[in-house]
Amino acid sequence: KQEVTQIPAALSVPEGENLVLNCSFTDSAIYNLQWFRQDPGKGLTSLLLIQSSQREQTSGRLNASLDKSSGRSTLYIAASQPGDSATYLCAVKTGANSKLTFGKGITLSVRP
Amino acid sequence: NAGVTQTPKFQVLKTGQSMTLQCAQDMNHEYMSWYRQDPGMGLRLIHYSVGAGITDQGEVPNGYNVSRSTTEDFPLRLLSAAPSQTSVYFCASSSHTPGQDYGYTFGSGTRLTVV
Repeated sequence: KQEVTQIPAALSVPEGENLVLNCSFTDSAIYNLQWFRQDPGKGLTSLLLIQSSQREQTSGRLNASLDKSSGRSTLYIAASQPGDSATYLCAVKTGANSKLTFGKGITLSVRP
Repeated sequence: NAGVTQTPKFQVLKTGQSMTLQCAQDMNHEYMSWYRQDPGMGLRLIHYSVGAGITDQGEVPNGYNVSRSTTEDFPLRLLSAAPSQTSVYFCASSSHTPGQDYGYTFGSGTRLTVV
């Protein structure tokens, strides 16, 4: 059974800092991995999707990497801003027709 | 805008009442699913569907019923509401067609309180 872990559960950084959010998964035979952002009281917004054949994906200040052999993905946020404050969740899909398995998320606070 | 639409956004029910949470998508996705999100528990899968006429149970299906008569719609029915069903409910959809899998799209959620 796939398990996804995100540690720490919460993180507070000063504005302008580059930061890395970690995601680990137990079964390396994944189909793809997706990073989401969730603002308080809101739904999940997709940030980046990495297919199993890819090593990384970039969107603006965000870069997500995938290392299947070690069961890890990282979300890199460059030059963090207070507007980046949110909960970040990673989710793994094991097969083409399988469901998503979610981590519990990392709540990020960027201090002005 | 294309996406997943959930209604209502907020609902208060009395114990024992029934209701239907609506979910519709306009992206022609074959896969649709319902999650509930609770503090400390993360997102848990309730039911899912891989296409019209096909549904299956997720991790926490008890007390919920679904059907999928069209590609677009996937309603979630609470048969007899209980306080333990107080939660935020999210509907999500995706394409599982190879080469067209751009990830999951989530609705904005329904916040349900059962008193």
